[in-house]
Amino acid sequence: DAKTTQPNSMESNEEEPVHLPCNHSTISGTDYIHWYRQLPSQGPEYVIHGLTSNVNNRMASLAIAEDRKSSTLILHRATLRDAAVYYCILRVKSNNRKLIWGLGTSLAVNP
Amino acid sequence: GAVVSQHPSRVICKSGTSVKIECRSLDFQATTMFWYRQFPKQSLMLMATSNEGSKATYEQGVEKDKFLINHASLTLSTLTVTSAHPEDSSFYICSASRTGANEQFFGPGTRLTVL
Repeated sequence: DAKTTQPNSMESNEEEPVHLPCNHSTISGTDYIHWYRQLPSQGPEYVIHGLTSNVNNRMASLAIAEDRKSSTLILHRATLRDAAVYYCILRVKSNNRKLIWGLGTSLAVNP
Repeated sequence: GAVVSQHPSRVICKSGTSVKIECRSLDFQATTMFWYRQFPKQSLMLMATSNEGSKATYEQGVEKDKFLINHASLTLSTLTVTSAHPEDSSFYICSASRTGANEQFFGPGTRLTVL
């Protein structure tokens, strides 16, 4: 299974941008990069996904390296509600669209 | 947006009983639903993938006779934990995906405690 590597934890201040890195050096050409986040005792929430180009939505931006071996989730202005575990996942096309979850990055946001 | 509900949100049962958890997609048709289990401080572990109208595909190490999955309609999948034991206590989460869509939409989870 394709794997991703993320820092265990990160810290940010409220209203500052946050850059959450993810390495996926074994990515293949058809694998999508997905980001989800999970608040305590809740189901995960979809954040964003991309294939090759950078992507923006109302929640975040996804910057994908040219060689696609890494990506960065950007929260433009962190709020206290953004404190969560952020998961970077490769969706392997050949694997029945399954998502294989790692341990994610626990983001703390300081007021 | 796409909303997925789960019922019940919390259940406590005695060892040896069976528990049924429902997962519904409220505003879209879900051709594929996924069932996950999450232990404290751990990541999500995929248990099985179910496609509407066909048998579920279980991940390695997940007993299909213990965790019965039924995906009878495009908006409902159920997971039944049969003869539950304390080691089955966990957070069970379902997700649903539209045909051809990339993202999965998750339910709020069901906390199962087996005494």
